[in-house]
This record gives sequence, structure tokens and C-alpha cells, in this order.
Amino acid sequence: DVKVTQSSRYLVKRTGEKVFLECVQDMDHENMFWYRQDPGLGLRLIYFSYDVKMKEKGDIPEGYSVSREKKERFSLILESASTNQTSMYLCASNVGGSNYEQYFGPGTRLTVT
Amino acid sequence: SQQGEEDPQALSIQEGENATMNCSYKTSINNLQWYRQNSGRGLVHLILIRSNEREKHSGRLRVTLDTSKKSSSLLITASRAADTASYFCATDETGGFKTIFGAGTRLFVKA
Repeated sequence: DVKVTQSSRYLVKRTGEKVFLECVQDMDHENMFWYRQDPGLGLRLIYFSYDVKMKEKGDIPEGYSVSREKKERFSLILESASTNQTSMYLCASNVGGSNYEQYFGPGTRLTVT
Repeated sequence: SQQGEEDPQALSIQEGENATMNCSYKTSINNLQWYRQNSGRGLVHLILIRSNEREKHSGRLRVTLDTSKKSSSLLITASRAADTASYFCATDETGGFKTIFGAGTRLFVKA
């Protein structure tokens, strides 16, 4: 059974803190993605990675960075959390090539106070 | 603006009725997908239809794609209370590298 896990379901951080969101997949997928989801806006792509140590900016990379040191793990980093980064964060993965189905983790609801 | 836009934004029906959701997009695509999201959870893939396909079925789901109108519809037949969720369409643009999601349709099925 395919599985994408995220380190926390709920997280509360203070403004200015450095925040790490971890995502692990056990399907040997090449591609991994970080999205944020806000009411009325759907899912917006923050970053994605198509291989170890490779990354590409999505639509809203400002204020975020990512790290992919191992194939199965993709980390999202908020260098200095701000209140406008309060959101639901979703990680996903899929195989490379023509198979586009994405497998999602359960999400992390981050609140920055 | 978003590539995929669902219509309606919200839909409330009785159990046993059919639910139809529509998606419109703007550019040429390789394929279109539909996902479901239960409240506060991750998305689950339902069905993928390629640009050279016109209709696809999976259980109680029926998806159509009209590339000339740049639109797709998702039909859920004989709906159940457990179908209550948000439904998203997602498109993979021709020559693009990412999947673009719409804002979703919230479906509420009353028992």
C-alpha cells in the first residue's frame, strides 16, 4: 500500500521561528511536491523536486526553501515564519515520466501566531 | 488565474441522487485528473483521463473530457453520505512540468 507521511498533523509556531515540515514516501518515487492549501484558492505549488538534491520553484516559493538529501524525504523549511504562512501544507509524490497520478500525505495544519 | 476552475463551488444533494461537477481550463493539456479530499485530509486520486480520451468510468464515477471546449465533468451516480467531500480537477499542461489544481467543489450528500 502506497504511503506518504508527514511529520505533524498540527503545528503551532511563533512569528520568526524556523519551521521544518518533513515528508517521507515509501514508493521510490522520483518526484515530490509541496503545496499549500487555502480556502477558495485550491492547491498552490510551492516547490517540487524531480531527483535527489534537485529542486524547482513552483508558483509561490517566496519565504520557503526545500531540501531533498534522500530520495524518500522532502523537507519544506520556513526560514522565518510569518502569520501569512498559516495554512494547510500538503506533500505529494509520483513517479517520473508519463504517470502523473500524485499520492498525497495527510497534510500539516500550521498556525503561526 | 487558475488553470482548472470547478463549477459549482458547492453542491448539496440527497443520498441516491446523482452529482455532477464541472471543470474548465485554459490551455492545451496532456491529461486531466479528479481528486477527492475529505475534510482536513490529503487528496486521494480518483481518475485520470488523457487528452485523446472522451469518457472514462470507474465504479460509480464517470468522467468526460471535451478538449474543444476545454472542459470536463465528473458524475457520481447514486451518491452516498460517504461521498461528502471536496472534489478537485487537476490538469497537466502540454509541455509543462507541473499539475495545476482548481479551487474545488464542495459536495454535501444528505442521508
